[in-house]
Amino acid sequence: EAQVTQNPRYLITVTGKKLTVTCSQNMNHEYMSWYRQDPGLGLRQIYYSMNVEVTDKGDVPEGYKVSRKEKRNFPLILESPSPNQTSLYFCASSLDRGNYGYTFGSGTRLTVV
Amino acid sequence: AQSVTQLGSHVSVSEGALVLLRCNYSSSVPPYLFWYVQYPNQGLQLLLKYTTGATLVKGINGFEAEFKKSETSFHLTKPSAHMSDAAEYFCAVSDLGAGNMLTFGGGTRLMVKP
Repeated sequence: EAQVTQNPRYLITVTGKKLTVTCSQNMNHEYMSWYRQDPGLGLRQIYYSMNVEVTDKGDVPEGYKVSRKEKRNFPLILESPSPNQTSLYFCASSLDRGNYGYTFGSGTRLTVV
Repeated sequence: AQSVTQLGSHVSVSEGALVLLRCNYSSSVPPYLFWYVQYPNQGLQLLLKYTTGATLVKGINGFEAEFKKSETSFHLTKPSAHMSDAAEYFCAVSDLGAGNMLTFGGGTRLMVKP
């Protein structure tokens, strides 16, 4: 089944403790992206990647890092999480520049206390 | 820069009534436009998209949307609401000139009353 898999689905952590949210897609998509969803703000792009070793900032990159060492994986790293990073996170992938529409993962609900 | 405005964060309709969810966008270049649906505790699912060609676009589950360039709008409609349509709906615009930027509106939560 074609899908984007994120882990974990739920995560509660403490301020300053580094964490990684994994994202993997099995569709051989070149484009991958991370979004955060906050009430009333819709989804805002954090980082995106157009191919292996090619990443760029989205609208809200501060406090996040990404890497794209393999085509299928695009982990999101929070080096020192803070409470304002409490949010619902989505990974998405697309065959090209998103113009065919993204396939989204099921989301990761992160709480930073 | 591109932006998307969805009028009405909550819309309530009766089962069988017309669904109309409004979306207006701004973009400096001809846009690609999308509607996504999000059911509780799930990711976003693509409902329909406009890229080029016919301005009336049909999607899944009986939804359709019409691209009106003069009004910079891409409203989503469904003739007859079903209880299973209750979800949050997001309009999005893609600007080819901005890398891979897909900009979302704030979302509209659709409630369907029996």
